[in-house]
This record gives sequence, C-alpha cells and structure tokens, in this order.
Amino acid sequence: AQKVTQAQTEISVVEKEDVTLDCVYETRDTTYYLFWYKQPPSGELVFLIRRNSFDEQNEISGRYSWNFQKSTSSFNFTITASQVVDSAVYFCALSDRIQGAQKLVFGQGTRLTINP
Amino acid sequence: DADVTQTPRNRITKTGKRIMLECSQTKGHDRMYWYRQDPGLGLRLIYYSFDVKDINKGEISDGYSVSRQAQAKFSLSLESAIPNQTALYFCATSVGDRLGETQYFGPGTRLLVL
Repeated sequence: AQKVTQAQTEISVVEKEDVTLDCVYETRDTTYYLFWYKQPPSGELVFLIRRNSFDEQNEISGRYSWNFQKSTSSFNFTITASQVVDSAVYFCALSDRIQGAQKLVFGQGTRLTINP
Repeated sequence: DADVTQTPRNRITKTGKRIMLECSQTKGHDRMYWYRQDPGLGLRLIYYSFDVKDINKGEISDGYSVSRQAQAKFSLSLESAIPNQTALYFCATSVGDRLGETQYFGPGTRLLVL
C-alpha cells in the first residue's frame, strides 16, 4: 500500500539556519509522483513541488531544494537560510493511482517553527 | 480572485444537523476532490469526481455525501453531523499534463460539531 512517513513531528530552529525535512515513502507503483505542500498558520495548502519518479534530478528554487533518492525511497526538503515566514506545517504526499487518475496519500506533516 | 473557493470558511453546528460545504473553481479542471484534515493524520480522501457524471468514494466516505452540480462546483454534505466529523475540510482540483497531475487546494473550511 502507499504510505508516506514524516518522522519529524516538529522542528524548531533559529532564523538563518538551514533545515531539512525528511520524507520516506512506500509504493507499489513503478511510476509515481511525490509532492510537497506548505500549510502556513492561515490554514491553506500551498503547492510547492511535484517530482516524477523517473526524474531523479534534484531541484532548487531559491532557498528551497529537494533531494529525491529512489534507492532509499526518500524525498527530502531543505530550506537554506530559513526565515520566520517559512514557519508552517509541511506535508509530503505520494500519488496513488485510482481509475486513470490519482489521489494523494499524505504524510502526517512536520511543523516547522523559525524563531527570530 | 482565488482559483478554488470554499464556503463557509468556518462553521459551528450541532450533532444531528445537516450541513453542506461548497467548493467552486475557476481553473476549468475536470477533477475535484474532498479531503479532511485531522491533527497528526495528514489529509484523507472523502470523495472524488472526474466529471459531472462520475463520483467515487474515497477512503473515509461513511457519513458523507457529495454532489457535482457542474464542472466548477462540488459540494460535500454531512447528513447528520457527529462530533468526530469536527475537522478541517479541503476541496482540491486537478488536471493532468503529459508528465503527471497536480492537485490545487482551496482555503479550507473549519467545521466544529458540538
């Protein structure tokens, strides 16, 4: 069955520190997709990235970077030089094929607090 | 204007009441989803719809029903609300591209059942 594990329930760091959020997944599929979403204190879910299983290139977007390693079934998210505005709950998610489309299986989330 | 809107944003109701949560989108996506979020459990799928005539149960559909009134509208109903349905409810839409599919979420509806 599809499963996503975010072992870090809460992380607290001081501003400007680098922080890595871990995500480990289990899947029965050979082709799948991984996602990260951000949920700020206001509550909405903001899409950050989608990674296809056949593309193992790491990705960088400003202060955000993602490390996808198929060999260890991990898709970790690093924030460099963290800022207070990065404080949020971050969810990792995995696609689960259903009748030609997909649903998302979410991890439990990691609450990140950036202290000034 | 937001692409995916949900109404109401907050709702308090009593056990046994029927309530409806509404979702509208201007993205033109065919696929729509309802999830609920509970602390420590992430999001779980309640119902999903691929188009107006296609509605399917998710992993936790008991106690809920849905209606896809149009491509842009997907409503979630609690026929007889109970306290363990207190949660944050999200609507999402998606469309596929040649490389996959991405779901975009509405702002959420906070529901409290007393």
